[in-house]
Parts: sequence; structure tokens; C-alpha cells
Amino acid sequence: DGGITQSPKYLFRKEGQNVTLSCEQNLNHDAMYWYRQDPGQGLRLIYYSQIVNDFQKGDIAEGYSVSREKKESFPLTVTSAQKNPTAFYLCASSTYYPGGEYEQYFGPGTRLTVT
Amino acid sequence: EDQVTQSPEALRLQEGESSSLNCSYTVSGLRGLFWYRQDPGKGPEFLFTLYSAGEEKEKERLKATLTKKESFLHITAPKPEDSATYLCAVQARNAGNNRKLIWGLGTSLAVNP
Repeated sequence: DGGITQSPKYLFRKEGQNVTLSCEQNLNHDAMYWYRQDPGQGLRLIYYSQIVNDFQKGDIAEGYSVSREKKESFPLTVTSAQKNPTAFYLCASSTYYPGGEYEQYFGPGTRLTVT
Repeated sequence: EDQVTQSPEALRLQEGESSSLNCSYTVSGLRGLFWYRQDPGKGPEFLFTLYSAGEEKEKERLKATLTKKESFLHITAPKPEDSATYLCAVQARNAGNNRKLIWGLGTSLAVNP
């Protein structure tokens, strides 16, 4: 079955520690995205990547980093510089070509709690 | 400023009681409008894409429509399993290469048996 996997489902970390969230897709999609979802707020874009070895900052990239070494994988690192890291993190992917619009498909999410 | 507003914030229906959810948007040129369903603790599930005013799409008990200023998600004879948060997102023509979506806060739907 094609889809997007995120691991782990729940993650707990102490303040000051970096943590990496995994996102893998086997949909053969070119574009991948990371969002953050907080209660009472819409989804906010952290980073996105349209092709391998290239990625761009979204609206709230501060305190986060990503890599895109393979088409299937787009891991997100939450660094100690992120002031409010506790949130629900969602990875998405979509087909991409200039001028075209395709829906984004989402993974199951990772709930990160930092204390 | 580009904006998406969903109403109502929450809706409670009896099983079989049809209703509509609203997504109004203000963007400088619409490229696409997307509807998603999200269950608690899970990622959003794609439902529909609408591109131009007058367009309609259907899936089981759901029907999405689009005008120049808003979209409606009509739910006909809902069942308890339709309970979820329904999210609307819009992509503007000036979104740039990041294809940025502007998200609404969602409508939380509860269908009682």
C-alpha cells in the first residue's frame, strides 16, 4: 500500500535536547512538507522540499532543520532553539510540477512533548 | 491579507440530519480549494479539490461546492462515523513556488446516533 509513515507516534524529550522526527513516503511524490498543528491554530508550514537536495523555509522555520537526501525521506529536526516545541507534527507529500496543483497527502503525525 | 474562515466552529447533528459547513476565503486569485477530514490524533485525510466557481464534487454523503467567495461542504443524512473535524485550505495564485496553503481552523462535527 502506498502512503506516508511518520515515526514515532509519540515522542517525549527533555528541554535542551534536539530530536528528529521521521517521515517516509512511497507514493513517488516529488514534494514533501512539514507542518505543525497547535490547538486553536491552523496548520502552519515549517519547511518544504520540491526535489531531492533542495528545501525551503516555510512560515515558522526558526528552531527547525530538515534534509532531503532521498526522494522518499524528509526528516525534521527540532532543535533546542525552538522555544515552544510541544505540538503535533504532520508530514505531507504531493506530486509537483510548475503550474500544476495537486492535493497534499498527510502522514499520521507525531505528537512531541518537551518538558 | 489572504484569509480562510470556517463556520461554524462546531456543529452537532442527529443522525440523518443534513447540514452544510462553510469555508469563506479572501485571496488574490484562487488556484485551488481543498477539503480535508481529520480524526482526533490523526493526520488530515484528503477529500476534494475545487478549482473554479460552479464546480461540484461528491463522495458518498459529502458534496463540495465552490463560489467566488466561499465553499460549502454539504453532508447528507450523516452517520456517527462522519464525526470529525473538517478542514478547508486555499491556494492563491500568488502563492509562489512553495505552493503555500492557507488553512482554516476547521469545523468540528459531531453526529449523534
